[in-house]
Amino acid sequence: EAGVVQSPRYKIIEKKQPVAFWCNPISGHNTLYWYLQNLGQGPELLIRYENEEAVDDSQLPKDRFSAERLKGVDSTLKIQPAELGDSAVYLCASSLGLGHGGEQYFGPGTRLTVT
Amino acid sequence: GQQVMQIPQYQHVQEGEDFTTYCNSSTTLSNIQWYKQRPGGHPVFLIQLVKSGEVKKQKRLTFQFGEAKKNSSLHITATQTTDVGTYFCAITGSSNTGKLIFGQGTTLQVKP
Repeated sequence: EAGVVQSPRYKIIEKKQPVAFWCNPISGHNTLYWYLQNLGQGPELLIRYENEEAVDDSQLPKDRFSAERLKGVDSTLKIQPAELGDSAVYLCASSLGLGHGGEQYFGPGTRLTVT
Repeated sequence: GQQVMQIPQYQHVQEGEDFTTYCNSSTTLSNIQWYKQRPGGHPVFLIQLVKSGEVKKQKRLTFQFGEAKKNSSLHITATQTTDVGTYFCAITGSSNTGKLIFGQGTTLQVKP
């Protein structure tokens, strides 16, 4: 079974430039999460989708971050414009959803460096 | 907001020594999960504890959930170099929406 796929794995951009990350969850997983992980910290939730609906985006900085999951499968997270402080690893995770146990499966992440 | 404290932040052990990391919450938890993240890798689910006083074992790893469901521990017996990584506990947010709140993690280094 294929795991969560993310691309790109690494991205270096200059500040004020836009950037986008893509995630394909495990087949059949209705719930998709985007996390931000700073060095030496645990992952922090940015947004959670149930199918195509964003059900928890309270931690998403909406002035510069946006996300979509149009067909309830893969998802894109965008930052425009990027700031130096956005340098971090962006992790995507998926799960079967509530009622199916809480286990979340993480992708390899995208390491973003903003210069 | 709800949070979970994890200690220690770092632990260096000699191969063969035991290791324990602890997570503590000020509120009663519905469940707690443990994840392992290898250097340069991504978090990988280890286990979920749900019941008060629950103890689960996976080979050399022993997971405990406190009687009051406010704390948990992960104990590794006779560490090996393959145990190197950061161990995170994670709790479900109070609204039980599936949102995970991660601890700061304990980074384990094992000297061969």
